[in-house]
Amino acid sequence: QIVLTQSPAIMSASLGERVTMTCTASSSVSSSYLHWYQQKPGSSPKLWIYSTSNLASGVPARFSGSGSGTSYSLTISSMEAEDAATYYCHQYHRSPPTFGAGTKLELK
Amino acid sequence: QVQLQQSGPELVKPGALVKISCKASGYTFTSYDINWVKQRPGQGLEWIGWIYPGDGSTKYNEKFKGKATLTADKSSSTAYMQLSSLTSENSAVYFCARSGERRDFDYWGQGTTLTVSS
Repeated sequence: QIVLTQSPAIMSASLGERVTMTCTASSSVSSSYLHWYQQKPGSSPKLWIYSTSNLASGVPARFSGSGSGTSYSLTISSMEAEDAATYYCHQYHRSPPTFGAGTKLELK
Repeated sequence: QVQLQQSGPELVKPGALVKISCKASGYTFTSYDINWVKQRPGQGLEWIGWIYPGDGSTKYNEKFKGKATLTADKSSSTAYMQLSSLTSENSAVYFCARSGERRDFDYWGQGTTLTVSS
């Protein structure tokens, strides 16, 4: 199965700071099938970015996604308090679909 | 609007079985896969399998074959996951989630907490 490695595992950012987290796949993944989710404590995950770079409905424009092959990233141009959460990458290029272990983003 | 409403928390004894439901509304139930995902406390997400309610076809993560059984009732737009021979390792929150052609999980249920304890 394709293993997704997210880094860092935990990070903190100040309000207004630019944030970047990465997701590295153990083998190449089609960008069409690499997605990101946001999860806050006690809630279900929410689709955040689909197909590498497309923002899901309601996601602020300060978020962006990029990547190809085995290397993907999620960027927040200017950190806001509401962005504190855990972000998971997800591939469904090949079954079984797998998730990364998550990057926990905290407000500094 | 699309909604997936899951059944409530379960407390079951080791060795028992449990059936969790996921009632869909706001879209054509038979046109999208329903996936099931496991999350243990403080841990990540693990895919269990999917069912396509249109024809009842299923696919399982090898790890969950023999543990999970997925079914769907078209008449009530409800998907079910049965977990058998439960142990403490099965204690987790279980989510159902819809997926379509993009293979993303675009809508999620609120989660069902399963506790296996004597």
